[in-house]
Amino acid sequence: KNQVEQSPQSLIILEGKNCTLQCNYTVSPFSNLRWYKQDTGRGPVSLTIMTFSENTKSNGRYTATLDADTKQSSLHITASQLSDSASYICVVSAGGTASKLTFGTGTRLQVTL
Amino acid sequence: DGGITQSPKYLFRKEGQNVTLSCEQNLNHDAMYWYRQDPGQGLRLIYYSQIVNDFQKGDIAEGYSVSREKKESFPLTVTSAQKNPTAFYLCASTPGQWYTEAFFGQGTRLTVV
Repeated sequence: KNQVEQSPQSLIILEGKNCTLQCNYTVSPFSNLRWYKQDTGRGPVSLTIMTFSENTKSNGRYTATLDADTKQSSLHITASQLSDSASYICVVSAGGTASKLTFGTGTRLQVTL
Repeated sequence: DGGITQSPKYLFRKEGQNVTLSCEQNLNHDAMYWYRQDPGQGLRLIYYSQIVNDFQKGDIAEGYSVSREKKESFPLTVTSAQKNPTAFYLCASTPGQWYTEAFFGQGTRLTVV
């Protein structure tokens, strides 16, 4: 069974600090991995996509990494802002179609003053 | 602005009643999806449609029904057969079945009272 596990479940950090969120997956056949940001009561929005051959990709203050050998990904947030407070969801695609997406349970990040 | 519109944002239903959630998109996407989000769980696929007048069951279709009479619209009916309908429902779309970046609506929170 395809699975995506995320850690930690929740995280509280001070504004301006960095943090790293983890994603482990067992999905086959692997197509790509995305990180989504979901504000409370809203729909998720894609932050970045990682394919099999990519190790690192940045999108502003967000940097995602992928280790396809160990089936792990991380999302690093630099110089956090209050607006980063949200749930971050790791989503892995099997077979290249959106009908076969496996969603993690998410990491709820709270950035405080 | 192009996007996906879900309505209503909040919905209350009495036990034993059917209720229909609306999802409209003006992105000209062929494929549309319905997900259910529960606390502590990843998004789960209810139904999806890759083309007008065709739809497929997802992982948790029991107690739900859909229709796809127009490209822009993909309504979801939560029937009285759904044992635990209280949840956050998300509609999404992709340009076609072989795209994995899902674009989400803002969600409908359904509460059974």
